[in-house]
Amino acid sequence: NAGVTQTPKFRILKIGQSMTLQCTQDMNHNYMYWYRQDPGMGLKLIYYSVGAGITDKGEVPNGYNVSRSTTEDFPLRLELAAPSQTSVYFCASSYYGTSRSDTQYFGPGTRLTVL
Amino acid sequence: AQKVTQAQTEISVVEKEDVTLDCVYETRDTTYYLFWYKQPPSGELVFLIRRNSFDEQNEISGRYSWNFQKSTSSFNFTITASQVVDSAVYFCALSVRDVGSTLGRLYFGRGTQLTVWP
Repeated sequence: NAGVTQTPKFRILKIGQSMTLQCTQDMNHNYMYWYRQDPGMGLKLIYYSVGAGITDKGEVPNGYNVSRSTTEDFPLRLELAAPSQTSVYFCASSYYGTSRSDTQYFGPGTRLTVL
Repeated sequence: AQKVTQAQTEISVVEKEDVTLDCVYETRDTTYYLFWYKQPPSGELVFLIRRNSFDEQNEISGRYSWNFQKSTSSFNFTITASQVVDSAVYFCALSVRDVGSTLGRLYFGRGTQLTVWP
């Protein structure tokens, strides 16, 4: 049971390039999330998904896109990378999502630098 | 509005000292949950504890203990006899359901960097 896995671990992009951050979970969780963590800050929610085919915006969605074609996978797409998107990105999953008590389990993170 | 404040940005202690990490939260919800996560130097986020708003009993797990006080909106975390391996960033988080949303959303504090010196 690997939990939540993310690839790549590190990436450097040039301004204007695009890339997809991959996230997979094997816990059969319904809810999945993408967060970004800027230096000295807590995590901020980018997008989330309540199940295959259903996604919604979080607090900071601009510049990102997501899709959820399967229960296991929740990729995050950056179309035109900007320096402001330099951050550490975390994917997380939880079983219920609607419950305040639901614990979110996090992947190891992807450190992205845009130059 | 929901908010989590971790006023201590960095704390340094020497091994075997006790240390308390403070967490103060704001919410108008009467039902909410509080969490602590640990982020070691390797970068992943590790779940430590979850506590609901109706349970003010303190919790102890080995060298870790948590003190939840609703009257002061605080959920403090104490490490007893700290060890070098406790060095990490610790995040406090609040889970509520925003008005009009079906999502139980996590709000994070900025984290406290704990360094334990040998």
